[in-house]
Order: sequence, then C-alpha cells, then structure tokens
Amino acid sequence: GQQLNQSPQSMFIQEGEDVSMNCTSSSIFNTWLWYKQDPGEGPVLLIALYKAGELTSNGRLTAQFGITRKDSFLNISASIPSDVGIYFCAGQKDQTGANNLFFGTGTRLTVIP
Amino acid sequence: GAGVSQSPRYKVAKRGQDVALRCDPISGHVSLFWYQQALGQGPEFLTYFQNEAQLDKSGLPSDRFFAERPEGSVSTLKIQRTQQEDSAVYLCASSLTAGPYEQYFGPGTRLTVT
Repeated sequence: GQQLNQSPQSMFIQEGEDVSMNCTSSSIFNTWLWYKQDPGEGPVLLIALYKAGELTSNGRLTAQFGITRKDSFLNISASIPSDVGIYFCAGQKDQTGANNLFFGTGTRLTVIP
Repeated sequence: GAGVSQSPRYKVAKRGQDVALRCDPISGHVSLFWYQQALGQGPEFLTYFQNEAQLDKSGLPSDRFFAERPEGSVSTLKIQRTQQEDSAVYLCASSLTAGPYEQYFGPGTRLTVT
C-alpha cells in the first residue's frame, strides 16, 4: 500500500517549546489531514488542507500543504502537557470512489512539564 | 448523535469464533469507512460505503471479513472464524459528503483473538 513517512518518530520536549513534524509521500495527494490520537481512543481531526501551498491554523497548531503535494508539515507552538499523544498525517487522493485515507507512521509527542 | 460511536469497545474472541462490530456514524453522513489499526501503526483502510452501497472493499484482508450498511446508516463489520492476526483496533469513520471531505473517527473496537 501507500507509504507515508512521518518524522520524527518520537519527540521529547519541554513544556512551552515549539514542535515541528512532517510527513512525506512518494505519491501525490490532493487533501492532507492531521489527526491526534490518545491511548484507547480514535484519531481526532486537527486540521484539513485542500490546496497545494495552503497554510492553515487552528489555535496553536499550524499546518501546511506542500507545493509538490507529496508532503505536509505540522507545527505546534508553546506546547502544553495535554499535547501529549500520537500525531498522524493522512493523505486523500480525491479520485472518484477513492476517498479513503492513507495514514503516516505517526509521531509520538511527549511534553515534559 | 454528537459523534461516531462504536460497540463493543473491547471484544475478546477465541480463535475460530465469529465477531460482529457495530458503527453508528454521525447522523446525516453519507460516507462510512472502516479501518484496521495494528499496535503501533497508523490505521489502514478496509472498506468504504456511500449510503448503503459498498463502493470499495479492496482493503479487506480476506473473505472472512464482511461489512454491511443496509439502510445507509449503521454499519456492521463481521469477521468469521477469527484468527490471531485479526487482533487489532477496528476504527469506523464517517464523512458528510461522497466527495473528499474530513473524516471523523469513532473510539474504535479493540479485538483480541486468543
């Protein structure tokens, strides 16, 4: 299947620091989504991106849709303890009947108070 | 309802048993997806419904897996003759439209096959 690589795999940061993570693919995607997953729960949608080059913010989160349509970036500013979790990128091809998501490998974030 | 709900949240099955997992999507959502998430991995697509029509089942790992959405709302994922490799979290997601749009996930059902 499609392989979306996320980096870093894991991060340990101090509370208040900014965080950057990215997602790259060998395939073009026309929609990028970022999710956060807590243990024992389903992924929660953070940000959706629909256009190459688009930069979108949601509170302390900012995500960008790469110009090549093969990558996306997520930044979290001024991290807080509740930011702990696993962050997944997901790409969608947006072709007829092919709207399932292809997920990245995840970035595990630990925030040290 | 307010969000996607799934039941049961946890299921333990003995190898060879059949299981049925239920998904209640967000009311009015046209599209419904099932994903399988192995431990430490991202979710992987299993199957997709647009209303009651199953338009894509390319991700189902074997013919022991069967999904239905007979009235275009609630969906059931059935696994026959469960095997140990079926142990995973099964996630359901729904989306408002048939086209590309945000998908909202339920809490998942953790299946353990012993």
